[in-house]
Amino acid sequence: GAGVSQSPSNKVTEKGKDVELRCDPISGHTALYWYRQSLGQGLEFLIYFQGNSAPDKSGLPSDRFSAERTGGSVSTLTIQRTQQEDSAVYLCASSLVPLNSPLHFGNGTRLTVT
Amino acid sequence: DQQVKQNSPSLSVQEGRISILNCDYTNSMFDYFLWYKKYPAEGPTFLISISSIKDKNEDGRFTVFLNKSAKHLSLHIVPSQPGDSAVYFCAASARDSGSRLTFGEGTQLTVNP
Repeated sequence: GAGVSQSPSNKVTEKGKDVELRCDPISGHTALYWYRQSLGQGLEFLIYFQGNSAPDKSGLPSDRFSAERTGGSVSTLTIQRTQQEDSAVYLCASSLVPLNSPLHFGNGTRLTVT
Repeated sequence: DQQVKQNSPSLSVQEGRISILNCDYTNSMFDYFLWYKKYPAEGPTFLISISSIKDKNEDGRFTVFLNKSAKHLSLHIVPSQPGDSAVYFCAASARDSGSRLTFGEGTQLTVNP
């Protein structure tokens, strides 16, 4: 497809379980981002990958959150031992280099932790 | 520490009138500003941007104004159309943060026919 693809679109999980969220960026985009939007809030930065550089993990809220990007393309965001406060829409975005290229977002994964 | 703030959670205007959405920021290192539009169950889509070397950028019905001394930017939509009804997010980035964006909380715009 032409856009950023995220799966699943919805995920309901029990507190304490681990979840994996997947993102397929636009082909050729070297930068990939994860954001989340909690109910009534703005978009909160989580992590940023740029090419082969070390990722910027400064937005991850706890060590239960991790992400990887394999082969410079697909990315997986993993949340271990989910908590109710993790419930949010998790958005992935990709962009071209150079600096200040607009981000192209996927439709997000709505995570509900019961 | 909310570095980008949109103080109006909602705005309602009549079709054909002007919509003005406002955004304030605190970080003086921000040098690039964007507006995104979001429909329910979809990701945000890029609308318009402005570099800190400019004070105005126009694209069709959309104009963004930047007042650096006041650390304020605004998005003007004229004439407003019912299809413009969406949540609008202001975002900013600083040169040393790569393309990482800091977003405001969003403003729900409703354009009434």
